[in-house]
Amino acid sequence: DADVTQTPRNRITKTGKRIMLECSQTKGHDRMYWYRQDPGLGLQLIYYSFDVKDINKGEISDGYSVSRQAQAKFSLSLESAIPNQTALYFCATSGQGTDNEQFFGPGTRLTVL
Amino acid sequence: RKEVEQDPGPFNVPEGATVAFNCTYSNSASQSFFWYRQDCRKEPKLLMSVYSSGNEDGRFTAQLNRASQYISLLIRDSKLSDSATYLCVVSPGDNFNKFYFGSGTKLNVKP
Repeated sequence: DADVTQTPRNRITKTGKRIMLECSQTKGHDRMYWYRQDPGLGLQLIYYSFDVKDINKGEISDGYSVSRQAQAKFSLSLESAIPNQTALYFCATSGQGTDNEQFFGPGTRLTVL
Repeated sequence: RKEVEQDPGPFNVPEGATVAFNCTYSNSASQSFFWYRQDCRKEPKLLMSVYSSGNEDGRFTAQLNRASQYISLLIRDSKLSDSATYLCVVSPGDNFNKFYFGSGTKLNVKP
């Protein structure tokens, strides 16, 4: 079984709809992240959480919100989706310290019409 | 200025060639460095961490130059299966575990 899972894997929605993307992990990591990736661009950090009580905005948090329901779960919401939020969304986890590689989920491909 | 910059490529090389990518970073206090590989429409996966003394894993060699603030990835004897996008990732490390990603360098290995 995958260590980091994301649901849904693909979603097509309409402008103005509320969308929730979910992420679960079995790595036991405290740190979780949400990124978006647009074609030809690097990953941009939306939100990150260092533990259940800690939520931080990333570079592009406008239009998004998150919820850390438990150590293993971190969900991303688009309250009112717009077309320029069409992108590939990745959840990731990491441990602490200097050898702190990130482990990514398989991604959610979101299309907003 | 971007935190991490990479040449987007593509680098088109024949099988068996040696190819090298560089990546520059802007924060001199950065502590952790990585190369990730990303196949088309898939999640990034760690290729290797980059250590101060340089490190090698089979055909792959990574090096860090702190003075000039760049890291490099060398791939020897390229295989068709090496075709992918290679992402440079830099982190301040310690308790401030944010990761900054380059936009990636695309490699196409041709028969």
